[in-house]
Amino acid sequence: GAGVSQSPSNKVTEKGKDVELRCDPISGHTALYWYRQSLGQGLEFLIYFQGNSAPDKSGLPSDRFSAERTGGSVSTLTIQRTQQEDSAVYLCASSLEAQTPSEQFFGPGTRLTVL
Amino acid sequence: DAKTTQPPSMDCAEGRAANLPCNHSTISGNEYVYWYRQIHSQGPQYIIHGLKNNETNEMASLIITEDRKSSTLILPHATLRDTAVYYCIAPNNAGNMLTFGGGTRLMVKP
Repeated sequence: GAGVSQSPSNKVTEKGKDVELRCDPISGHTALYWYRQSLGQGLEFLIYFQGNSAPDKSGLPSDRFSAERTGGSVSTLTIQRTQQEDSAVYLCASSLEAQTPSEQFFGPGTRLTVL
Repeated sequence: DAKTTQPPSMDCAEGRAANLPCNHSTISGNEYVYWYRQIHSQGPQYIIHGLKNNETNEMASLIITEDRKSSTLILPHATLRDTAVYYCIAPNNAGNMLTFGGGTRLMVKP
């Protein structure tokens, strides 16, 4: 079946520009997570959505980062006024629910490079 | 989240069992142990999870000690495609958010 998809797979942008990253979760999954992974580093949580509840934004590094999830499905992560330190792989994951135990299915990621 | 400790790297011969250890001595009674892996340039992949009992699925087996302070992930017949970084985690937050540390870099050699 279809897994989590993300687009674009690669994005190169100039410092100061805004970028939008898209995530299509697995159909029927109510929980959706955004993470980022800098080169050679572990996974850093950014934000998650669970059903119609208010998203948990506790991991967002600054107010330049925001995310939306429309209709309980597709999600968009927006980074405004990008900085070089935003360069990383941005990963999206979905799961049936945002509770333990629940496995998360990850997309292939979007590699963002800020010049 | 309980702190987990894993060796930074391990080698395994192709076809042999790979046994990856994880210490989680501060784990609490309701924290599950999860294993994920990340093959180079791919997103993380769920492998298995457990609470108290040993678990087995089509990918691996998870052996959890009786005191729950450590566990071992077993890949029974490692292949070259199992070369990856393996992460042991024990999330304990309302949203089940994951945080990966260093993990164990498993190199399966022919």
